[in-house]
Amino acid sequence: DGGITQSPKYLFRKEGQNVTLSCEQNLNHDAMYWYRQDPGQGLRLIYYSQIVNDFQKGDIAEGYSVSREKKESFPLTVTSAQKNPTAFYLCASSGTAFYYGYTFGSGTRLTVV
Amino acid sequence: LAKTTQPISMDSYEGQEVNITCSHNNIATNDYITWYQQFPSQGPRFIIQGYKTKVTNEVASLFIPADRKSSTLSLPRVSLSDTAVYYCLVGAYFYGNNRLAFGKGNQVVVIP
Repeated sequence: DGGITQSPKYLFRKEGQNVTLSCEQNLNHDAMYWYRQDPGQGLRLIYYSQIVNDFQKGDIAEGYSVSREKKESFPLTVTSAQKNPTAFYLCASSGTAFYYGYTFGSGTRLTVV
Repeated sequence: LAKTTQPISMDSYEGQEVNITCSHNNIATNDYITWYQQFPSQGPRFIIQGYKTKVTNEVASLFIPADRKSSTLSLPRVSLSDTAVYYCLVGAYFYGNNRLAFGKGNQVVVIP
């Protein structure tokens, strides 16, 4: 079945460490996105990519980095520069028309210890 | 990006029909209206999408008036498993600009 796989489901990071969250899709979607969700809040866009080797900053990109070397993969690195990284991270993908909607992964919960 | 406004939360009894409204006064001609459902610690799930009038699928109905400045998601005969956050989004695809803005959504609690 086609879908988006995020891993790991839970991740613990020590302060000062960089961590990378994985996102893989087999939907043949061109566009991929990373969102952050804090408790009781909506989703905020971190980065998005419309095509391989190209990506754009979202609303809260500071302290994060991404790469898009393959169509299927869009990993997110949470760097030590991100001052409050504890959150629920969601990856999504979409086709080349909005009316296709977004498909989301099951999320990664990152906790700083 | 067209901004949307939804009630923060609402309660409903099991078996009732639930209607969730969304305001999007600055919707553009090319914009579609899409609703998502999110359970705790899961990614949002696509429910329904429409452009105008009424759309119905096996899960819900979406009512869009002629001016398209609002929309109503209707969930028939809700059960406890329909307790979730519901997001209304408005947008369209243009090359290099396919991004969605999620608000805080509407927390629906179904009561036994």
